[in-house]
Amino acid sequence: QLQLQESGPGLVKPSETLSLTCTVSGASISSSDYFWAWIRQTPEKGLEWIGHIYSSGSTFYNSSLKSRVSMSVDTPKNQFSLKLHSVTAADTAVYFCAAGFYTGWFLSFWGQGTVVAVSS
Amino acid sequence: TIMTQSPATLSVSPGERATLSCRASQSINSKLAWYQQKPGQAPRLLIFDASTRATGVPARFSASGSGTEFTLTISSLQSEDFALYYCQQYINWLSFGGGTKVEIK
Repeated sequence: QLQLQESGPGLVKPSETLSLTCTVSGASISSSDYFWAWIRQTPEKGLEWIGHIYSSGSTFYNSSLKSRVSMSVDTPKNQFSLKLHSVTAADTAVYFCAAGFYTGWFLSFWGQGTVVAVSS
Repeated sequence: TIMTQSPATLSVSPGERATLSCRASQSINSKLAWYQQKPGQAPRLLIFDASTRATGVPARFSASGSGTEFTLTISSLQSEDFALYYCQQYINWLSFGGGTKVEIK
């Protein structure tokens, strides 16, 4: 069974870069069967798709975040990562990594989520 | 694509039927998923392609719809079904509805 686990700092200073990693187990991140996604959740905006990436390196980002987001895949470590630049308090959220099958952009597998606060 | 869920809160007694609605701001064909989320947990996929149950989802969960109007029905609510439910479209990138909280009446 595919499993996902987020890791990264729980506190980031304003204007700095939020960096999170998702470790995949039970499947190879180089498989073309899946896409790998980041979702965040806040009480104000609910669930928000940040973007997703394929093993080929193709990326798709939410247009509202596109100028600040980058995603990458680390095949040897079976991980994928998120970087969100120039963060503000509005980026405080629970961040989930998730995955789905290439057949449709719904999310079959989720990590447990990690809280990231933006504060000085 | 904006997804709108109603009602925001649904109060139901155990054993009763719950009907949740999701509306898309434009046609999404059948590219709709439903998720269940309990406090402190990640969402769990229930339904994809508007009406197909995900692996392991009990048969009391059913869903229908296409175009812009969708419904999730829980035929006989069990204690473990009281949770938040979200719809998500995936024809125009990905976007989620605001959620419906199913609470005990």
